[in-house]
Amino acid sequence: EIVMTQSPATLSVSPGERATLSCRASQNVNSNLAWYQQKPGQAPRLLIYGASTRATGIPARFSGSGSGTEFALTISSLHSEDFAVYYCLQYNNWPPIFTFGPGTKVDMK
Amino acid sequence: EVQLVESGGGLIQPGGSLRLSCAASGFSVSSNYMSWVRQAPGKGLEWVSIFYGGSGTYYADSVRGRFTISRDISKNTLYLQMNSLRAEDTAVYYCARLADYADYVDYWGQGTLVTVSS
Repeated sequence: EIVMTQSPATLSVSPGERATLSCRASQNVNSNLAWYQQKPGQAPRLLIYGASTRATGIPARFSGSGSGTEFALTISSLHSEDFAVYYCLQYNNWPPIFTFGPGTKVDMK
Repeated sequence: EVQLVESGGGLIQPGGSLRLSCAASGFSVSSNYMSWVRQAPGKGLEWVSIFYGGSGTYYADSVRGRFTISRDISKNTLYLQMNSLRAEDTAVYYCARLADYADYVDYWGQGTLVTVSS
């Protein structure tokens, strides 16, 4: 089983600041990594797939990078609506039981 | 427009059974792989099961042998039959569509809450 870890668990940021979230896989997942944003009481929303491709309608301030085992999600300038929990998902292994990271909560400093 | 609408959640006693439904619109469940993902209260996301078309169905270790995923193409609906329910199965269950030609989730339902308690 591929284990995903995310750091930090909580990131306190002020609006307008840059935020960088990390995701690490216990094995090589190539570029088969996605990022999701989840707000309280809502379903997750797809932000990034293929490690670095923004989903439709996602603002350019969100960017993804990395491959193999080390990945990052960067929010270049935080907006108030970006305070949420962010999850990474690896979808590389077979059989296809994929794994999420534990999440990073981005809250207001 | 792609939409996924779950139903069937509720309060159930330990050892009981429940069937969740996910009505899809805007696409056919025969043309995309489909999954169930759950989230226990205050916790993270857990991949539960996947209907992988002709390649079969797969389950997380935590539910294998107790849960069964299926689909009805004529109703364009995905199901999750949950038997021998345990307190640790308490969660919001999300229906999820996997993207065309790739295995990440691109659309989510709003979720349905399953509470296992006596």
